[in-house]
Formats: sequence, structure tokens, C-alpha cells
Amino acid sequence: DAGITQSPRHKVTETGTPVTLRCHQTENHRYMYWYRQDPGHGLRLIHYSYGVKDTDKGEVSDGYSVSRSKTEDFLLTLESATSSQTSVYFCAISVGTGSPYEQYFGPGTRLTVT
Amino acid sequence: GNSVTQMEGPVTLSEEAFLTINCTYTATGYPSLFWYVQYPGEGLQLLLKATKADDKGSNKGFEATYRKETTSFHLEKGSVQVSDSAVYFCALGTSGSRLTFGEGTQLTVNP
Repeated sequence: DAGITQSPRHKVTETGTPVTLRCHQTENHRYMYWYRQDPGHGLRLIHYSYGVKDTDKGEVSDGYSVSRSKTEDFLLTLESATSSQTSVYFCAISVGTGSPYEQYFGPGTRLTVT
Repeated sequence: GNSVTQMEGPVTLSEEAFLTINCTYTATGYPSLFWYVQYPGEGLQLLLKATKADDKGSNKGFEATYRKETTSFHLEKGSVQVSDSAVYFCALGTSGSRLTFGEGTQLTVNP
């Protein structure tokens, strides 16, 4: 258990509203990631962070922003939610020394945008 | 760019059958390769990994061998159980601390 929690676990929101998802880790790992999971697409990287205030874009970053003001928290914000952002969102951390590819995942947040 | 291609699912097997899920990849450099498993309603769990050519990763009866000559990392298990029913993802990591995932293969094992 890598000590990753996500909140909320489920959320229904309306188009055009802002939404923030939270990922929290208990072990001070440097790398954190946000993915979305959609049928037929596997997991796609939205944004990732390699330290406090250090973030970078993934392959599907449009419409999303992130912040990391503390090592343990990584926030994903949808500034103005759209129906195409209905998805399951997973946070992950990297725990491997010298191997940041070995990632461990949180339980996910199911977001529905109506 | 990097990409991972998995065999299309879903795959349905009877208990104790042999399992193969094919995975091929395209990558620059020398990637590390992974299989992840996702049980219903849960996040992904690392199942096994291999970091260089000819390495064999194994865990819980599952195995996969890193074949550089065929750019493949096929997942196998000799005798599946109902509890193995899940979605399996192949993934690769090269540089930049990022993983590239395949689309996932749904496995259902019937008693």
C-alpha cells in the first residue's frame, strides 16, 4: 500500500463549473501523476509533478491545470468542466529509486459532467 | 514516439486454462516494461516488470519476458483462476518519468 488517497471518490457536476480533485500521499515521494481512463484509450497522462511547484504537461492537458504546494498533495483542476471530461481520474506516485516508471495508483475518482 | 499495442479483448477463458495476452511496443531508447492489473472498482496495481532485454518478470503465477528482437512483452499464466478476472494493461517507460499504456485487455475467467 503506497498510501495514496483521492478525494472525492465520486462527483457529479454541471457543464461550466470548476472542479478540483485532490490526491494525497503519506510517504513524501517526489513524482506524482494525474491520468484519465476512458474506454478504448487505456490511461492517458494529463499532468505530472516532479517536486513542489514543479509540474509539466502530459498528452491530454488541455482544459486541466494542476498545483503542488506541498509534497504530499497534488491537485487537479478543471477550470470549466465539459462533458468530454467525464471520466475516471487516477492519481499515481513513483516510488522506484532511479526508476521513476514504477508507479502506484490511487483508487480513482469517477467524475460525471452533465 | 512511444506506443504500446495490446491484443484486443475481451478474453474469456475457463478456469485452469492457459492465458496469453499479447503486447508489442514501439519505443526510442531502452524502455522498461510493465504489466498492471485493475480489478473492478479499483486502481491499477503493478503486476510485474522487466527492465532490460531477456529479463523475465514474474508474480502470482504470471510471467512475461522482455523480447527486444520482437519488441514484445507477452503476459502468460499456466492456469487461470476466477480471481484473475480483471483488466490487464501493458506499459512502457523510457525517459522523463512517464509511462505509456496500452488500451487494456479485459479478462473474464468462468468457473
